Amino acid sequence: DAGVTQSPTHLIKTRGQQVTLRCSPKSGHDTVSWYQQALGQGPQFIFQYYEEEERQRGNFPDRFSGHQFPNYSSELNVNALLLGDSALYLCASSFGLAVYNEQFFGPGTRLTVL
Amino acid sequence: AQKVTQAQTEISVVEKEDVTLDCVYETRDTTYYLFWYKQPPSGELVFLIRRNSFDEQNEISGRYSWNFQKSTSSFNFTITASQVVDSAVYFCAKHNAGNMLTFGGGTRLMVKP
Repeated sequence: DAGVTQSPTHLIKTRGQQVTLRCSPKSGHDTVSWYQQALGQGPQFIFQYYEEEERQRGNFPDRFSGHQFPNYSSELNVNALLLGDSALYLCASSFGLAVYNEQFFGPGTRLTVL
Repeated sequence: AQKVTQAQTEISVVEKEDVTLDCVYETRDTTYYLFWYKQPPSGELVFLIRRNSFDEQNEISGRYSWNFQKSTSSFNFTITASQVVDSAVYFCAKHNAGNMLTFGGGTRLMVKP
């Protein structure tokens, strides 16, 4: 049973560029959440997708956008990259929207913006 | 936003010592869930425990135990007889509106042989 997978594992971009990160949820899960983890800090919630719609959003600018596909996989897009966007981006999947459902995290994508 | 605070940024112990990681949270909710996650150097967050606000019983799982005190808004984590493999960053988290998790800043635990 595959867990949450993310691609790519590492990515280097320059300021102003755009990036797309991908996530495949754990088998049987239909909800995907994205988190940003800056170096030495705890993860911060970006947004959550369920039934192909953004259901909840954290305090992130519109440069951060996402998508969920019919197979429940998800993409995170970041436009006009800033140096401060350098971080580990974590994807988490769960079943449904109930708050008590355990979220399983992927290994993350480390984004470096130069 | 309702904060989660982990005051200890880094703890260093020698193997077999007991260690307690502190977590304090803010909440206006009457019902909520608290979590602990472990993040080894590989980066993947590993779920350790979920506790709902109605259950104040302490929980023990092997060498791990958790002390939840609603009166002081704390949810502390103790590792008994620590091992080198316990070295990691540990995060306390609370669910907030909807299904989002708010994480503390993490405590880096180093267990030396």
